[in-house]
Amino acid sequence: DVVMTQSPLSLPVTLGQAASISCRSSKSVAHNNGDTNVNWFHQRPGQSPRRLIYRVSHRYSGVPDRFSGSGSGTDFTLKISRVEAEDVGIYYCMQGAGWPWTFGQGTKVEIK
Amino acid sequence: QVQLVESGGGVVQPGRSLRLSCVVSGFPFSTYGMHWVRQAPGKGLEWVAVIWNDGSQRYYVESVKGRFTISRDNSKDTVYLQMNSLRVEDTAVYYCARWGFFGDIDYWGQGTLVTVSS
Repeated sequence: DVVMTQSPLSLPVTLGQAASISCRSSKSVAHNNGDTNVNWFHQRPGQSPRRLIYRVSHRYSGVPDRFSGSGSGTDFTLKISRVEAEDVGIYYCMQGAGWPWTFGQGTKVEIK
Repeated sequence: QVQLVESGGGVVQPGRSLRLSCVVSGFPFSTYGMHWVRQAPGKGLEWVAVIWNDGSQRYYVESVKGRFTISRDNSKDTVYLQMNSLRVEDTAVYYCARWGFFGDIDYWGQGTLVTVSS
């Protein structure tokens, strides 16, 4: 199975400051067709996860442009350019390249 | 709008069975594959199972193979998760989720809590 390792697991941030979360896969998650199915989700306390990013760097409609994804191969990053209060919660990366799909452990973002 | 509504959770003793249902609306169900993902209390997300849009293929996480079965009824816009031989470690909120067109999960239900306890 592909292991997705996130860091840090806890990320205190100041409102308005940038935040960055790393996600590393234990092996390449690129499909034979060239697509890299790494996705990012945000889960607020007591809520279901919500989609943020698909295929490494594509934002879903309605996701603020302060969120961006990047990376290739086995190293991927989610960045929040200016953290707002509504961004608190847990962020998960996920690979959809091979079965079973696997998630990272989650990174808890909180306001300092 | 897209909606996924799970039901069927509850408290069950170890070794017993439970069937979860997820009724969807707002999109052509037969066009999409569907997943079940679970989250143990205070823990992270764990992918559980997937079924192709036509039911032709299914995959499971190793820990549930032989015990859980994912199925669907496209005439009822419903996906199911039959859970047999339940274990304490199966205790979790179970989410159904839609398999998007980009190798992603694009919509999630609100989840249903399964508690396995004697």
